[in-house]
Order: sequence, then structure tokens, then C-alpha cells
Amino acid sequence: EIVLTQSPGTLSLSPGERATLSCRASQSVSSSYLAWYQHKPGQAPRLLIYGASSRATGIPDRFSGSGSGTDFTLIISRLEPEDFAVYYCQQYGSSLWTFGQGTKVEIK
Amino acid sequence: QVQLQESGPGLVQPSQTLSLTCTVSGGSISSRNYYWSWIRQHPGKGLGWIGSIYYSGSTYYNPSLKSRVNISQDTSKSQFSLKLSSVTAADTAVYYCARGSLLEDYAFDIWGQGTKVTVSS
Repeated sequence: EIVLTQSPGTLSLSPGERATLSCRASQSVSSSYLAWYQHKPGQAPRLLIYGASSRATGIPDRFSGSGSGTDFTLIISRLEPEDFAVYYCQQYGSSLWTFGQGTKVEIK
Repeated sequence: QVQLQESGPGLVQPSQTLSLTCTVSGGSISSRNYYWSWIRQHPGKGLGWIGSIYYSGSTYYNPSLKSRVNISQDTSKSQFSLKLSSVTAADTAVYYCARGSLLEDYAFDIWGQGTKVTVSS
């Protein structure tokens, strides 16, 4: 089973700043089956990025994903007030799905 | 516009079976493009995949829960269901149903709003 480790645990930033979130896998992720989600309290998680770098439908271009193998990154180029939330990475492989433990992006 | 909605008891007694249903509206669960899935979030914790069912009926479970989980589907009702047996307080969580999409590299592109389940006597 592939374990995903996200860092940092919490990111304290101001609106307008750039956020860089990391997701590291314990083994290589198959065919870049790596996704990122945004999750706010009381809401359903929202798919942001799939296939490591493809934006999901309706996702603003300030969100970008990159990486391959075991190291993946989500960048939010300029934080908007609505972007403060918890972000999860998720991988698929061998008919199993796993999530990282999450990174909280909070207002500084 | 496909939508998912979870339903089921919000309170389950310890050692009993937790049963939830997800109703899919605006689309069919018979498409070979999707895995219909259950995911949960323990209080104050992250997301955890429970299991998925494919249109063919094939099921896939988290190894840590496999002995207690059963996911089934009723295509005539566009529903899929979760049964989790022998529950304890550790199964208290918000349970989400979600659609895993082969078109989005197995990402979960549509989610239900979630339903809170408490295990307590």
C-alpha cells in the first residue's frame, strides 16, 4: 500500500501570497494517478487536480499541479480569501486508493 | 448534472452494522467509466478510502477494513450501499459517497455532502 506524506502540516499565509504544498509517496505512483482536493468544513471535498497536473472542470488557473514518480506539488499562485482550507493529495494504484493526511492553509 | 446523496441512520449501536445508501441522480451507475466509492473522515482527521464498486459488480476494499465491509449496488434504483459490521466508537465519522472517474485518472470528481454517523449506546 502506497503511503502519501504531505508537508507542511499547516501553511500560514496572507491573501495574495503563493502557496506551495508537497505530497511525497512511499513508492512510485502509477501513471501519475495523483489528485489534489480542497476541503472546507461542512462541505464535500472538491477535486482540483487529477493526473498530477490537469485541472478539473471549473478550477481557476491559479491552481497548478506538477510532479511524477514519488514527488508531487500543488501550487496556488495567489491566494484568494476562499482558498483557505485543507488540501489533500490522493493516489490510485493496484485497485486501491489512498489519501495524504492533509495540509491546512490558514490565514496569517 | 450528476448528484450523489447519502442516507442512513446517524446513530449506530456498538457491535451492530452500519448501513448507508448513496443515491445517484442525473446519471447511471452502469457506466464503465466510474467506480462508486465510500470515503470517511474521522473527527478532526483526514480522509480515508473505505471501498469502491465497479459497474460490473467488482468490489475493492481498504485492506484495513476488508473483513468488515461490504459494498453493493442496485442499478435499477441508481443506488449503491455500504455495510460496515461490528462497529465501534472508532467508526464514528462523516461518511461520503463519491464517484471515482477513469476519465479523471481515478480521481473522485463528484461527492455527496456527507452524512455524520455516531457509534454509541
